[in-house]
Amino acid sequence: GQQLNQSPQSMFIQEGEDVSMNCTSSSIFNTWLWYKQDPGEGPVLLIALYKAGELTSNGRLTAQFGITRKDSFLNISASIPSDVGIYFCAPQINSGGGADGLTFGKGTHLIIQP
Amino acid sequence: DGGITQSPKYLFRKEGQNVTLSCEQNLNHDAMYWYRQDPGQGLRLIYYSQIVNDFQKGDIAEGYSVSREKKESFPLTVTSAQKNPTAFYLCASSMGQTDGYTFGSGTRLTVV
Repeated sequence: GQQLNQSPQSMFIQEGEDVSMNCTSSSIFNTWLWYKQDPGEGPVLLIALYKAGELTSNGRLTAQFGITRKDSFLNISASIPSDVGIYFCAPQINSGGGADGLTFGKGTHLIIQP
Repeated sequence: DGGITQSPKYLFRKEGQNVTLSCEQNLNHDAMYWYRQDPGQGLRLIYYSQIVNDFQKGDIAEGYSVSREKKESFPLTVTSAQKNPTAFYLCASSMGQTDGYTFGSGTRLTVV
């Protein structure tokens, strides 16, 4: 089966610092999605990547779909307190067989120290 | 406004009792999903349904059951056969394969 590795597992940073996290897999994917989960809530989609090499920004967030189609990274610039939460990657194959369940990385827990 | 609603937010049950978690969406999405979240485990797929009256097991379906009698509703029953039911349960829906998921706000189930 496919292996999906998300790192780091947790990050302790100071407000204003930049953040970088990534996901790597043993399989090739057609889509990479990045989600953020606030404490006690459901995840919310941040960025969707549909093409190898694609670099997409959403405000202070930047994500890239790796050229090999086996990895993706998410960067957050100038972190603020509301960035606290768990970030998940969710790659997708899009095989045409229907809306199967997404596989999620184990998450990166972002903690901002005052 | 369209969205996906899970209820209740917190649920307590005694060991050995079945319990049903509600999930309703008014987004007209075809597909619906149930995930379980444990600390350090990420999100694990329990069941999913692509259309009404059809559903498939996910990675950790043992001890759970679902139904999809209406497009809007996908309730999850945690049965007494589930050995470790205490967890945060998330329901999601999507229109199609390439779309992201819309998640509910979750139900935290505690079995004592």
